Amino acid sequence: GAVVSQHPSRVICKSGTSVKIECRSLDFQATTMFWYRQFPKQSLMLMATSNEGSKATYEQGVEKDKFLINHASLTLSTLTVTSAHPEDSSFYICSARDLQRGEKLFFGSGTQLSVL
Amino acid sequence: GNSVTQMEGPVTLSEEAFLTINCTYTATGYPSLFWYVQYPGEGLQLLLKATKADDKGSNKGFEATYRKETTSFHLEKGSVQVSDSAVYFCALPGNSGNTPLVFGKGTRLSVIA
Repeated sequence: GAVVSQHPSRVICKSGTSVKIECRSLDFQATTMFWYRQFPKQSLMLMATSNEGSKATYEQGVEKDKFLINHASLTLSTLTVTSAHPEDSSFYICSARDLQRGEKLFFGSGTQLSVL
Repeated sequence: GNSVTQMEGPVTLSEEAFLTINCTYTATGYPSLFWYVQYPGEGLQLLLKATKADDKGSNKGFEATYRKETTSFHLEKGSVQVSDSAVYFCALPGNSGNTPLVFGKGTRLSVIA
C-alpha cells in the first residue's frame, strides 16, 4: 500500500537552532500534504496545508515565519522549525492525500521534537 | 467548527475482553466519521469509516455505528487481542475546503495476555 515516510523520527536540539522535518510520499504523488502538531494528551492540531508549487496555507495562530513549509515536488514536503525554543517541543506528523485512491489520507510516523 | 470528543485512556484490558471506546462529535450536517489507529512506531492508518447516518463501519473485528440521534461513533470489539494494543483516534472532516481531518485526543489501549 501507499507509504508516507517522515524523517527524522526523533530529534533533540538546542534552543535557537533550526530543525527540518521531511515528509515523503513513496509511491504516489501528493499535491497536498498536511502538517499536524500534537501536544501530550491533546488531539492532533492542523498547522498548515502544504500545496505543491505554491505557498502553504497556515491555520490561525500558527506563525508562518517560524514554521517554514516547502513543497517543492509532488513527493516531498518539508517543515522547518526555525529558531526553536522549548515551547516548540512537540510531536509533529504529516499526512498526504492520494487522489488516485479516493483522496485517502496516509500518515507519516511522526517526529518527536525536543528542544533543550 | 466540527469537533470530536473521545474518551481518554489509557485503557487496559485482558485478552478476549470486550472493548468500547466512546466518541461523540459536533458537526455541521452529516460528515463522514473515521476511526484511525496508530500502532507503536507506525503512522496513523485508517481503521474504519462510516459515510452516513446508521452506517456501520467494520474492519479487523472492530465496529462503529454512525448514530446521528446521539451524535456518536463508538468503537467496539468483542474480543481484543494483544496485537490490538495501539492508540485509537476518532476523526471527522474539518470545515475548510481541503477538509483535513479533526482528531480526538486519542485513546491508548493496552491488551495484556
